[in-house]
Amino acid sequence: KAGVTQTPRYLIKTRGQQVTLSCSPISGHRSVSWYQQTPGQGLQFLFEYFSETQRNKGNFPGRFSGRQFSNSRSEMNVSTLELGDSALYLCASSLEDTRSGNTIYFGEGSWLTVV
Amino acid sequence: SQQGEEDPQALSIQEGENATMNCSYKTSINNLQWYRQNSGRGLVHLILIRSNEREKHSGRLRVTLDTSKKSSSLLITASRAADTASYFCASGSARQLTFGSGTQLTVLP
Repeated sequence: KAGVTQTPRYLIKTRGQQVTLSCSPISGHRSVSWYQQTPGQGLQFLFEYFSETQRNKGNFPGRFSGRQFSNSRSEMNVSTLELGDSALYLCASSLEDTRSGNTIYFGEGSWLTVV
Repeated sequence: SQQGEEDPQALSIQEGENATMNCSYKTSINNLQWYRQNSGRGLVHLILIRSNEREKHSGRLRVTLDTSKKSSSLLITASRAADTASYFCASGSARQLTFGSGTQLTVLP
């Protein structure tokens, strides 16, 4: 079956603009999470959604927001882009969060460059 | 923030040799996951080891977990040039994964 699909794969934006990234999880997965990866900070957690509800949020400013739709697809939005927002944004999906844990699968990511 | 450290940060070996990477984490875990990332690409899931498991194998991969030391290791046997990538451990759950800093493995042909 199809893996986690992220669009677009690459994009260039100007400072001050806003951007929306999209993620389609693996069929049947209801948990979708987002991560930012930069050379300096590594992989950092942004937020996680389950059945359209944000269950957890990382330590990012309010310019970073997200949502999940009824079909589990998710979008994240970054407003008023800054140069430091240039990063690889990774989406991950999982069946369901259980005590014993489920495998968490990642997409190929969206490369955002802010100029 | 990074949960723990991975050691070494970079490793260069010859094809056919074994590669061992270590990961330490700070808080109690239910499971630990290992991922591979090729340059500029997404994370590929390699293996999940649960807190009640001490060792797990998958093909040429062997993962060990020592919860008393809060550490895990990933062994890649008979390495190939295609194994060149960054390797990350991650603890947590779907609600939030916390990643190590990663080991950059280079396998020379």
